[in-house]
Amino acid sequence: AQSVTQLDSHVSVSEGTPVLLRCNYSSSYSPSLFWYVQHPNKGLQLLLKYTSAATLVKGINGFEAEFKKSETSFHLTKPSAHMSDAAEYFCVFTSGTYKYIFGTGTRLKVLA
Amino acid sequence: GAGVSQSPSNKVTEKGKDVELRCDPISGHTALYWYRQSLGQGLEFLIYFQGNSAPDKSGLPSDRFSAERTGGSVSTLTIQRTQQEDSAVYLCASSPEGGDSYEQYFGPGTRLTVT
Repeated sequence: AQSVTQLDSHVSVSEGTPVLLRCNYSSSYSPSLFWYVQHPNKGLQLLLKYTSAATLVKGINGFEAEFKKSETSFHLTKPSAHMSDAAEYFCVFTSGTYKYIFGTGTRLKVLA
Repeated sequence: GAGVSQSPSNKVTEKGKDVELRCDPISGHTALYWYRQSLGQGLEFLIYFQGNSAPDKSGLPSDRFSAERTGGSVSTLTIQRTQQEDSAVYLCASSPEGGDSYEQYFGPGTRLTVT
């Protein structure tokens, strides 16, 4: 079965420290993977996407993610958290189809 | 350019009433999607349009839910005889075409509350 798992429902970091949001997928086929961010009462915004090109993907606002096939992972990182990064983050998976499969989300809290 | 827009932004309705939710996709996008975001269920796919056709309605939770798209543009999601479990945020997205390498652009959503 095809699925995506976000390993942490909540992550807290101090401002200026690194961010790591974990995502694992399960698929028999080559996946496309996306990270979206949702600020309170706002729509989903694409941070970055992987579609079988470079395995290290750079996105907006200093975020990046690395596709690791051997680990079936696509973790999202940022070197230094900013207060404005506080939001909910969704890892999204597709495999040969338009249908997005969403992870359950990780709520990021940034402490001053 | 303009993004995906949805109206209304909030809708409160009484149980048993019908509601219509509207989505205006990005101009030129042929693919349009509806999702539902609710507590405990996360984000669920409802329906996919390619042009005016809906080749995949597999996510519609019951026959009270229907959707149409006209002119390859605006889409309306209709919920008949609303129930309290229909309370959720309904998100619309569009993409240039309906392939897996195309990112989907999301609207701000319509928050539906059924009292």
